[in-house]
Amino acid sequence: DAGVIQSPRHEVTEMGQEVTLRCKPISGHDYLFWYRQTMMRGLELLIYFNNNVPIDDSGMPEDRFSAKMPNASFSTLKIQPSEPRDSAVYFCASSGGLAGGPTDTQYFGPGTRLTVL
Amino acid sequence: AQSVSQHNHHVILSEAASLELGCNYSYGGTVNLFWYVQYPGQHLQLLLKYFSGDPLVKGIKGFEAEFIKSKFSFNLRKPSVQWSDTAEYFCASRGQGRRALTFGSGTRLQVQP
Repeated sequence: DAGVIQSPRHEVTEMGQEVTLRCKPISGHDYLFWYRQTMMRGLELLIYFNNNVPIDDSGMPEDRFSAKMPNASFSTLKIQPSEPRDSAVYFCASSGGLAGGPTDTQYFGPGTRLTVL
Repeated sequence: AQSVSQHNHHVILSEAASLELGCNYSYGGTVNLFWYVQYPGQHLQLLLKYFSGDPLVKGIKGFEAEFIKSKFSFNLRKPSVQWSDTAEYFCASRGQGRRALTFGSGTRLQVQP
């Protein structure tokens, strides 16, 4: 398996622009997570999905952030409009199997490093 | 709410030295615990995990961790570090049956040759 795939790996944009980050989970995994990593706040969970349905979006910073999962193999995280404080590394992770079972482990993608000027 | 504390923010060791990184969690119920490693410029990789059973868990690359319920701790250990262990190490927890992880702030390990 290719693992969790994220694109783009790097994104530089100007304040006010729309940014879309993409994620392809590991095939067969039914959970998908979006995390943000910054120096100040560390790794934070933004939102996660189960079977394409958002389960917990309490970590989404504000209305400028939105996430979708139109099918089992694709998810997007959109920021509109972007601001300099959104600069961070955004990770996608996926997991599957029964909770607490041997395959219940989150596998992380390589991340997207976002810089908003 | 859950929280995870990693008290060592930056650790510098010489090769062959022993390593112990602290991790304390706060959660009232049954907990699953994880250690992830992030090598420079790379994504997080799972080192080891504890769900139940033997509190001494062995992971990849010679790492191990011990779950001590009475101390709410899950410290990571390695008897002899290598330069290639230079990375950031994250402890994470979640309540049993839950899916989302709560991460600690990370410990940056620098191993000097």
